[in-house]
Amino acid sequence: DQQVKQNSPSLSVQEGRISILNCDYTNSMFDYFLWYKKYPAEGPTFLISISSIKDKNEDGRFTVFLNKSAKHLSLHIVPSQPGDSAVYFCAASTYSGGSNYKLTFGKGTLLTVNP
Amino acid sequence: DTGVSQDPRHKITKRGQNVTFRCDPISEHNRLYWYRQTLGQGPEFLTYFQNEAQLEKSRLLSDRFSAERPKGSFSTLEIQRTEQGDSAMYLCATPKPPDYTFGSGTRLTVV
Repeated sequence: DQQVKQNSPSLSVQEGRISILNCDYTNSMFDYFLWYKKYPAEGPTFLISISSIKDKNEDGRFTVFLNKSAKHLSLHIVPSQPGDSAVYFCAASTYSGGSNYKLTFGKGTLLTVNP
Repeated sequence: DTGVSQDPRHKITKRGQNVTFRCDPISEHNRLYWYRQTLGQGPEFLTYFQNEAQLEKSRLLSDRFSAERPKGSFSTLEIQRTEQGDSAMYLCATPKPPDYTFGSGTRLTVV
């Protein structure tokens, strides 16, 4: 049972345009969400996160939107750059309430930004 | 600098051999987690420690796997009698909630 789903295995965009990566989740207990970027042969690098009490969080070119009623979040990258080409993972956790704080990941989306 | 050092970065081993990986947090962290990432999948939780105590183990962690954190600082993950299905990247993480930082990982290839 995949609790975090990234339904698009890959996405290709032109440099300078917007990249939108999507993520859906099924567990309503998740209350904290994170996006990671991963290059081959390296560990995931944290990008941006959002708590379930918010619907938007912005950091530079990266913005994450959360729609709790739809159990959906998205990562927007504007403008996209060739260096953004990597696999992007969505992750979710039950952060509050003294939980064990383990992350549940999606399968990832390979983003390719073409010059 | 990820704040977590993992050694070795790459390991190639023959099927049936034992391997051990090490994770060294750069600063003190009460919690330490191990994850595994196989091709085409996101990282999957294996186990975690609160100081020296191993508090949870995933069903992915078969009897051939053992993890320790003897002094509440570094941790080791041992795989006995490796199988080809063990080929993966093994990741260590030391969260300071809500931040969650991963090490560079150890890529294991079982031939």
